[in-house]
Amino acid sequence: DIVMTQSPLSLSVTPGEPASISCRSSQSLLQSNGDNYLDWYLQKPGQSPQLLIYMGSNRASGVPDRFSGSGSGTDFTLKISRVEAEDVGVYYCMQVLQTPPSFTFGPGTKVDIK
Amino acid sequence: QVQLVESGGGVVQPGRSLRLSCAASGFTFRSYVMHWVRQAPGKGLEWVAFIWYDGSDKYYADSVKGRFTISRDNSKNTLYLEMNSLRAEDTAVYYCARAILVAGRQAYIDYWGQGTLGTVSS
Repeated sequence: DIVMTQSPLSLSVTPGEPASISCRSSQSLLQSNGDNYLDWYLQKPGQSPQLLIYMGSNRASGVPDRFSGSGSGTDFTLKISRVEAEDVGVYYCMQVLQTPPSFTFGPGTKVDIK
Repeated sequence: QVQLVESGGGVVQPGRSLRLSCAASGFTFRSYVMHWVRQAPGKGLEWVAFIWYDGSDKYYADSVKGRFTISRDNSKNTLYLEMNSLRAEDTAVYYCARAILVAGRQAYIDYWGQGTLGTVSS
């Protein structure tokens, strides 16, 4: 089974400062078509998760451009260029297996504001 | 707008059953693959099950295989999760989720429901 790890597991950030979350997979997520099937979600307090980044580096519709995703293979990073108060919550990376189809989530990184 | 509304959660004793429903609206339900994802209280997200557009393919997490059944009724725009032989560790908020395929491969979840809480307790 693929194991997803995230670091750090918690992060306290000053508004306006950058933040970075790492996600590592136990096996490569790079597919033969050149795509990485790794997504990032934010679950704000009391809400359902919401998509931020899909396939490694594609920002979802409506997501502010202060969020960016990068990486390939087994190592991925979510960056927030300037954290805002509304960015608090738990950030999850998720890998998508194709055969058989399934999702595996990382343990989550809790972000709060200093 | 896209809406996914789960229902059917509640409190049930260990070993009993529960059936969850997810009513979809605002999109062509039969054109999307669907998933159930759960979240135990205070814990992270865990994928549970997947169903193909027409219900012809279904896959389950090892933790629920043989006990849970995912199904859909495209005429009613509704997704289901039949949960049998429930255990305390199945206690969670259950989310239905719509997945997007890119180049024929599942790529991401773009919409989540608000979730329904199923509690297994004696």
